[in-house]
Amino acid sequence: DIQMTQSPSSVSASVGDRVTITCRASQAISSWLAWYQQKPGKAPNLLIYAASSLQSGVPSRFSGSGSGTDFTLTISSLQPEDFATYYCQQANIFPITFGQGTRLEIK
Amino acid sequence: QVQLVESGGGVVQPGRSLRLSCAASGFTFSSFSMHWVRQAPGKGLEWVAVISSDGTNTYHADSVKGRFTISRDNSKNTLYLQMNSLRAEDTAVYYCARDRGATYVQKCFDPWGQGTLVTVSS
Repeated sequence: DIQMTQSPSSVSASVGDRVTITCRASQAISSWLAWYQQKPGKAPNLLIYAASSLQSGVPSRFSGSGSGTDFTLTISSLQPEDFATYYCQQANIFPITFGQGTRLEIK
Repeated sequence: QVQLVESGGGVVQPGRSLRLSCAASGFTFSSFSMHWVRQAPGKGLEWVAVISSDGTNTYHADSVKGRFTISRDNSKNTLYLQMNSLRAEDTAVYYCARDRGATYVQKCFDPWGQGTLVTVSS
């Protein structure tokens, strides 16, 4: 199975900050990577697919990059509603696997 | 609007069975592969199973293989997860999710249902 490792596991930031979360795959997955946002008690929400494509309805302050084994999710200017947990997910082969999550907290 | 609504969760004893359902609306259900994803309390996301749009192909995670079975009824716009021989470690919120791709399977999920909690405990 492909292992997905996110860093950091948690990060504290302020409204208006730029934040970057990284995700590393244990083997190359081309651009088959997705990012999700999850708020407490809610289902995850797809932000980015195919490593850098913004899902419809997602604010443009979210962006993704990378290919192969190393990927990043960037939030250009944090808004209050962005404080949540973020997961990466490889979409290359079954079994589908997720990173362990990055909790984004208010500083 | 696209909607997925899970049902069937609850408290069940170890070794017993449970069947989850996911009612889909607002899109052509028979055109999309569908998935189950679970999340243990306070933990991360774990993909469980996928079924092709016509129901002929399925794939299950090793952790549930031989115990859980994904299926669908396109005439009822409903996805199922039959869970047998349940264990304490199966305790989780179970989400159904539509594959993002209509023309080809993209193996990412949008949208998700609200989830249904399964608790395996004696």
